[in-house]
Amino acid sequence: DAMVIQNPRYQVTQFGKPVTLSCSQTLNHNVMYWYQQKSSQAPKLLFHYYDKDFNNEADTPDNFQSRRPNTSFCFLDIRSPGLGDAAMYLCATSRATGAATEAFFGQGTRLTVV
Amino acid sequence: RKEVEQDPGPFNVPEGATVAFNCTYSNSASQSFFWYRQDCRKEPKLLMSVYSSGNEDGRFTAQLNRASQYISLLIRDSKLSDSATYLCVVNGASGGSYIPTFGRGTSLIVHP
Repeated sequence: DAMVIQNPRYQVTQFGKPVTLSCSQTLNHNVMYWYQQKSSQAPKLLFHYYDKDFNNEADTPDNFQSRRPNTSFCFLDIRSPGLGDAAMYLCATSRATGAATEAFFGQGTRLTVV
Repeated sequence: RKEVEQDPGPFNVPEGATVAFNCTYSNSASQSFFWYRQDCRKEPKLLMSVYSSGNEDGRFTAQLNRASQYISLLIRDSKLSDSATYLCVVNGASGGSYIPTFGRGTSLIVHP
């Protein structure tokens, strides 16, 4: 059974049209992450939540926002997608206790901007 | 300097070969280390954790050298199904969370 679920798997959006990607988890993990991965590059952390505490990476553009209404759900909002935002967006979760915690990933949403 | 560095490859090896990947990290306060496997256009999946004493899981052996700040992955008797990208992941403490930081991955191609 999938434990981290991302919807949709594929998203096509128009240049400049706001888009929302969603992630849900059944693991009851404290931490949820959003990563952006472009072709042949490392997943790049955009931001993460530790419970309700939002932590933005310094180089994440303002165009990217996130919401976590409850433990299970987290959303990535791209306010005005540009062609450079086309990528795979990966949601992950982890427990916050212990240094050895692993991250569990969803299957990703592949975003195309036209 | 990138936080986690890997040789992107590709490593092109015949079936049955032994292949090794290295990864270096810059943050000496990093706490835990992992190897993930990522198939083309799929999400990363945990392959194995890396312990200070080294650990083995079947054909896979991972080692950590804290003094030199590098991690290695050894694959013995390569199979065609081992073809994938192998991502080195380093967890560093940030507040109450441990943040996974990824290398760009090393591509492995195993051919008949």
